[in-house]
Amino acid sequence: KNQVEQSPQSLIILEGKNCTLQCNYTVSPFSNLRWYKQDTGRGPVSLTIMTFSENTKSNGRYTATLDADTKQSSLHITASQLSDSASYICVVSDRGSTLGRLYFGRGTQLTVWP
Amino acid sequence: EADIYQTPRYLVIGTGKKITLECSQTMGHDKMYWYQQDPGMELHLIHYSYGVNSTEKGDLSSESTVSRIRTEHFPLTLESARPSHTSQYLCASRDGTSGVYETQYFGPGTRLLVL
Repeated sequence: KNQVEQSPQSLIILEGKNCTLQCNYTVSPFSNLRWYKQDTGRGPVSLTIMTFSENTKSNGRYTATLDADTKQSSLHITASQLSDSASYICVVSDRGSTLGRLYFGRGTQLTVWP
Repeated sequence: EADIYQTPRYLVIGTGKKITLECSQTMGHDKMYWYQQDPGMELHLIHYSYGVNSTEKGDLSSESTVSRIRTEHFPLTLESARPSHTSQYLCASRDGTSGVYETQYFGPGTRLLVL
């Protein structure tokens, strides 16, 4: 069964600190992996997207890594800000259908305290 | 910021009422989607469309229906709302031209509460 598991479920950090969120997946065949940020009451916004040939991608203070062999990804946030408080969702796409089906994790709820 | 819009943003309605959630995008995307999301849970696909006059049901069984008469418009209708329909509904679209780098753009969502 294709699945996407994220950890931790929730995380509280102090402003200015770094943190790393984890994503493990069993989706096969694999096409790409995206990290989305979802603010409370809003729709998800794409942060990064990586294919199997890419093992790191950055977007400002966000750096995503991908190990396609172990089927693991991480999202590292540097020098956290209050505005980073949100849910971070890992989404994996397969290439087994014309739909390019997306598999969603449940997200990690990050809270940044001043 | 993606040009995809949803109305209403919040809706409180009584059981048995008919409702339509609106979704519009100005990016000319052929592929559009409706997802249902409960707090702390993953998004579940309930409907999708590949273009005008094309609609399909997603993974999650839903009593809602959709239509795609125009490329930019993908409304979702509940004929008779029930408390079990209380959830957040997210509309999304996808450009379909970027291969493996295709990005799905989401609207702001509609939070529905059925009393």
